[in-house]
Amino acid sequence: GENVEQHPSTLSVQEGDSAVIKCTYSDSASNYFPWYKQELGKRPQLIIDIRSNVGEKKDQRIAVTLNKTAKHFSLHITETQPEDSAVYFCAASSPRGYQKVTFGIGTKLQVIP
Amino acid sequence: KAGVTQTPRYLIKTRGQQVTLSCSPISGHRSVSWYQQTPGQGLQFLFEYFSETQRNKGNFPGRFSGRQFSNSRSEMNVSTLELGDSALYLCASSNTGQANEKLFFGSGTQLSVL
Repeated sequence: GENVEQHPSTLSVQEGDSAVIKCTYSDSASNYFPWYKQELGKRPQLIIDIRSNVGEKKDQRIAVTLNKTAKHFSLHITETQPEDSAVYFCAASSPRGYQKVTFGIGTKLQVIP
Repeated sequence: KAGVTQTPRYLIKTRGQQVTLSCSPISGHRSVSWYQQTPGQGLQFLFEYFSETQRNKGNFPGRFSGRQFSNSRSEMNVSTLELGDSALYLCASSNTGQANEKLFFGSGTQLSVL
């Protein structure tokens, strides 16, 4: 089955700096890569996603890149703000399995004011 | 639309007992999937239901089971509870359960096994 590795597990940055979270996947059939943000005590929420026919996608301060050949994808947050502090999960999904989304272990991001 | 609703919010059980968790999806969503969240393991897929049928199952023992009703509401049952079952159990709904659909998560049920 699919295996998603995510690193780092924890990340501290100064407010205004950039943060990068990296993930790798194992199943070459995976073609959908969402990122979820979970604030403390709250439910995970989708913040951005990318499909395998696209190499990069941006949404304001957030961007995701995908390298299909290397089977890795990354989340980039620029100009970080304290409200970006949360746990971020990357995930991979293959069309071979209905909603059998495989998540990474999560990255706890702390933005220091 | 109301979001995904999970009940109860917290549960405390002892080893050997069984527990049933409930999940009501967003109105119109027919796919419900369940995840176990623990600090060391992240989010692990349990199973997914669509139109009352289990379509996919993760690598969990048979003590973990579920079902879905005709109104798309889903329940998850864990029998013979073990200490290691302590976790946050999240359900998520989506429209059809296709692999590239956005998941809408509930707030979860925090299960503590003593």
